[in-house]
Amino acid sequence: SQTIHQWPATLVQPVGSPLSLECTVEGTSNPNLYWYRQAAGRGLQLLFYSVGIGQISSEVPQNLSASRPQDRQFILSSKKLLLSDSGFYLCAWTLSTDTQYFGPGTRLTVL
Amino acid sequence: RKEVEQDPGPFNVPEGATVAFNCTYSNSASQSFFWYRQDCRKEPKLLMSVYSSGNEDGRFTAQLNRASQYISLLIRDSKLSDSATYLCVVLPHSGGYQKVTFGTGTKLQVIP
Repeated sequence: SQTIHQWPATLVQPVGSPLSLECTVEGTSNPNLYWYRQAAGRGLQLLFYSVGIGQISSEVPQNLSASRPQDRQFILSSKKLLLSDSGFYLCAWTLSTDTQYFGPGTRLTVL
Repeated sequence: RKEVEQDPGPFNVPEGATVAFNCTYSNSASQSFFWYRQDCRKEPKLLMSVYSSGNEDGRFTAQLNRASQYISLLIRDSKLSDSATYLCVVLPHSGGYQKVTFGTGTKLQVIP
């Protein structure tokens, strides 16, 4: 069966510090991968998606970047965090079906 | 008008009650619709897809009204464990998660 992992689960970072969040999927090949952010009291916002290694599409301009160095690995990064980057970051995957599966998420607080 | 709108609630209902939520969408070309459930501080999980003819899964019934551009979720015989936030999800076409829109969710609290 497929499993999706995210780490860390919780992160507190100062403004201006770098960020690296990792997501890995097990038990499947060639998944479409997604990064979302959910800010307090707001809906999920799609940040990036990837249909293959090295292929990244961004939905909104922002302070973040994403990379897919391996088929089942998706990384979200920032060189300098802003206060507004605080939120719940969720990685998700899909195959050819409509069902989207989410990882457990990383709760980021920028102080 | 927002692409997808949901009443944030909270809906406070007693155990055993029937409760219904609606979700309106603005893009008439939207093709795929889902309800997800999100527990507090957890990731969303798929509850059910919404088919044109309506569909039922146990105590849960989902319906689509294309003419009025809304989907609905009906929960019968509410359980304490149904307490969660219910997210409406709209895709422009099957598998089109690149253009997905999530509603902000409707919070349900089932009280003893």
